[in-house]
Amino acid sequence: DGGITQSPKYLFRKEGQNVTLSCEQNLNHDAMYWYRQDPGQGLRLIYYSQIVNDFQKGDIAEGYSVSREKKESFPLTVTSAQKNPTAFYLCASSILGARDEQFFGPGTRLTVL
Amino acid sequence: SQQGEEDPQALSIQEGENATMNCSYKTSINNLQWYRQNSGRGLVHLILIRSNEREKHSGRLRVTLDTSKKSSSLLITASRAADTASYFCATASDSSYKLIFGSGTRLLVRP
Repeated sequence: DGGITQSPKYLFRKEGQNVTLSCEQNLNHDAMYWYRQDPGQGLRLIYYSQIVNDFQKGDIAEGYSVSREKKESFPLTVTSAQKNPTAFYLCASSILGARDEQFFGPGTRLTVL
Repeated sequence: SQQGEEDPQALSIQEGENATMNCSYKTSINNLQWYRQNSGRGLVHLILIRSNEREKHSGRLRVTLDTSKKSSSLLITASRAADTASYFCATASDSSYKLIFGSGTRLLVRP
């Protein structure tokens, strides 16, 4: 089955800890994205990558970091510098860029204890 | 920055009725997309309409685009309880590789 997967589904973090959210796709898509969604809100772009070994900051990149060492993988690290990390995180991919439809993973819900 | 704004924020209808959601945006676009999100899940792409198109259909979905008014509407005909979800519009411009999402319309279809 082709698709995009995220793990874990639920993640709990203590204040001051860094955590890494996994995102993997086997759709052979070049572009990948990370979004943050807060309750009752739309999606805000954290980082995006159009090609391997390249990524760009989105609208709310502070306190987050990413890497794109492989085409199929785009992990997101939520660092201790992110002041309010409790949210629902969504990863997506598309063939070329934002002008194409995006395929979303099931999301990771991060809660800071 | 918010590009698309959906209206209404919430909509409750009876099964079998039609549901209409609207989206307004501010700057010129390459295309506008509609997505659906069930509670606690990822988004699912519904339909993409390009700036040179005025109307598009997909099953029970009908999307219109009015670039002069910078607005789009999503019509779901003969709604079902399974259509209960949040619906988001998202815009793509020629000058950016980003999709910009609105805050969504929460649709409740009562059986």
